[in-house]
Amino acid sequence: TQLLEQSPQFLSIQEGENLTVYCNSSSVFSSLQWYRQEPGEGPVLLVTVVTGGEVKKLKRLTFQFGDARKDSSLHITAAQPGDTGLYLCAGLENTGNQFYFGTGTSLTVIP
Amino acid sequence: EAGVAQSPRYKIIEKRQSVAFWCNPISGHATLYWYQQILGQGPKLLIQFQNNGVVDDSQLPKDRFSAERLKGVDSTLKIQPAKLEDSAVYLCASSLGVFGEISTDTQYFGPGTRLTVL
Repeated sequence: TQLLEQSPQFLSIQEGENLTVYCNSSSVFSSLQWYRQEPGEGPVLLVTVVTGGEVKKLKRLTFQFGDARKDSSLHITAAQPGDTGLYLCAGLENTGNQFYFGTGTSLTVIP
Repeated sequence: EAGVAQSPRYKIIEKRQSVAFWCNPISGHATLYWYQQILGQGPKLLIQFQNNGVVDDSQLPKDRFSAERLKGVDSTLKIQPAKLEDSAVYLCASSLGVFGEISTDTQYFGPGTRLTVL
């Protein structure tokens, strides 16, 4: 059972454009993580958010945790070809001891 | 610091055959995870170890899948017998696993083993 739905599933944009990826659930999470996975590699952690309404910035990437801690978004400014990859969110339920991964968003940035 | 090592990187077998995957986590990491990632989907947790004990194996198909973590370090995941639907990438990850700090625990993933069942 997928607790976390990501949208869009696929995204292809031109270099320099902005984009937003969404991660939604009906469950409340004590923390939420975003990963990027490149072909043939394992996911790599980008950020962890733990407080409702929290916003974190990592260079051109902005991550936001929803006020109710049920959703999150990832915004990329001026996308570059190096941003190409599969973006995954993963949430830890309040009473859980494991992170559940989302369905993933495959991003392609065209030079 | 060496990352999580997995072998083999690729494996092709016929259905009903057996296969085993090996994982060597980052030194000092107490928690080890095995995930199954089907093409186009997010990883699904199969089993989670804390040292050499099982924390969660609720999504492990125990009639055909087994895993062990000897001495709380290396781990092996076995499938016997394999089915067509087992074709996927099997990812191993490890984390420090400090008690009470799971919400901010960072998982480090290996490159995965791509299994094709014909």
